[in-house]
Amino acid sequence: LAKTTQPISMDSYEGQEVNITCSHNNIATNDYITWYQQFPSQGPRFIIQGYKTKVTNEVASLFIPADRKSSTLSLPRVSLSDTAVYYCLVVYSGGYQKVTFGTGTKLQVIP
Amino acid sequence: GAVVSQHPSRVICKSGTSVKIECRSLDFQATTMFWYRQFPKQSLMLMATSNEGSKATYEQGVEKDKFLINHASLTLSTLTVTSAHPEDSSFYICSADDRQETQYFGPGTRLLVL
Repeated sequence: LAKTTQPISMDSYEGQEVNITCSHNNIATNDYITWYQQFPSQGPRFIIQGYKTKVTNEVASLFIPADRKSSTLSLPRVSLSDTAVYYCLVVYSGGYQKVTFGTGTKLQVIP
Repeated sequence: GAVVSQHPSRVICKSGTSVKIECRSLDFQATTMFWYRQFPKQSLMLMATSNEGSKATYEQGVEKDKFLINHASLTLSTLTVTSAHPEDSSFYICSADDRQETQYFGPGTRLLVL
């Protein structure tokens, strides 16, 4: 299982762009990178997933360099409701494989 | 997107009793489901992998006789905490695999054992 490393916490002011980087040095060829958001007393919510280069959806962008040993989740113009824990996971593309949660990054958005 | 539900959302029980938690994939079939436990201010810890029609695979340190898992259909897995004790109080979360590379998580079940 690929191990991930993220900053434990980050602070940001409302309206700013937030970038959270995750390192996954031992990612395998068939692994995807997935980011989840978790609010207190709720299950993780899927945000975005990618394999390489850049992926963008309505809530975030995911940047993955060519070597795929790291990835960066970008949240544009954060609001107070984006205060949550963000987890980076490496997932085998064939499915059915367990994943290991790291510490996650606690993002605190400040008014 | 895919939806996973859990029932109940909260449960309080007396020490020594058993509690069953259901995990359902509502709009997709899930051959594999996963059960996690999360203590306050900590990350999710995988307890076991639930496979439809076969025995669950437990992580090291998780007692299989205490945490019974049944995955009788492609949309339902259950976790039964047997003879619950206060130290079993936690937030239990399930996830279901969509047969590709994405896991979808349930809303979680808060268990409090008195």
